[in-house]
Amino acid sequence: GAGVSQSPRYKVAKRGQDVALRCDPISGHVSLFWYQQALGQGPEFLTYFQNEAQLDKSGLPSDRFFAERPEGSVSTLKIQRTQQEDSAVYLCASSHRTGLKDNEQFFGPGTRLTVL
Amino acid sequence: KNEVEQSPQNLTAQEGEFITINCSYSVGISALHWLQQHPGGGIVSLFMLSSGKKKHGRLIATINIQEKHSSLHITASHPRDSAVYICAVRSDSNYQLIWGAGTKLIIKP
Repeated sequence: GAGVSQSPRYKVAKRGQDVALRCDPISGHVSLFWYQQALGQGPEFLTYFQNEAQLDKSGLPSDRFFAERPEGSVSTLKIQRTQQEDSAVYLCASSHRTGLKDNEQFFGPGTRLTVL
Repeated sequence: KNEVEQSPQNLTAQEGEFITINCSYSVGISALHWLQQHPGGGIVSLFMLSSGKKKHGRLIATINIQEKHSSLHITASHPRDSAVYICAVRSDSNYQLIWGAGTKLIIKP
């Protein structure tokens, strides 16, 4: 398909387990964003990539969260030693340009992570 | 005070009714997005606007930059319109989106 895809769609992890969430952005999109959406709340910014460079990781809640985009396309969000408060939907979005104006983000379906 | 506020938080209406969801923001923006999220589903971008009005099918979005206010209208509402509608603004100083809390819309047949 032509849209942003994420996998897995659902992930159940035991507390303390490491997880890896994948995002395939739209081909050719330069910018990639990760968001965390807790139940009943709006998405919260986690991190931003421009090609392979992680330009902003200010939203990552702790050093257990790590994101990479080594070849400037697919991105992986890794959460180490998961905690129950990490349970959320993790959304990935990509956009074609890097400019501030008129730069629409296209969202993936999200990965729902449940930590038991 | 949140930088982006939506109202109402919840809205239940009958099929066919005209729906209005409001969004007010307090920061300088370069664009405002209206997005739709179905239960268990991903987010779909409905509109991105920086001035005036846009229309797509039964959906209309307006923005008043001076008043820092935007509205999303749905004409001839249908049960399939039931979803959470989220307003998000792009700050004029960086690329981040600032999100509203969303409006949960239920359209009853």
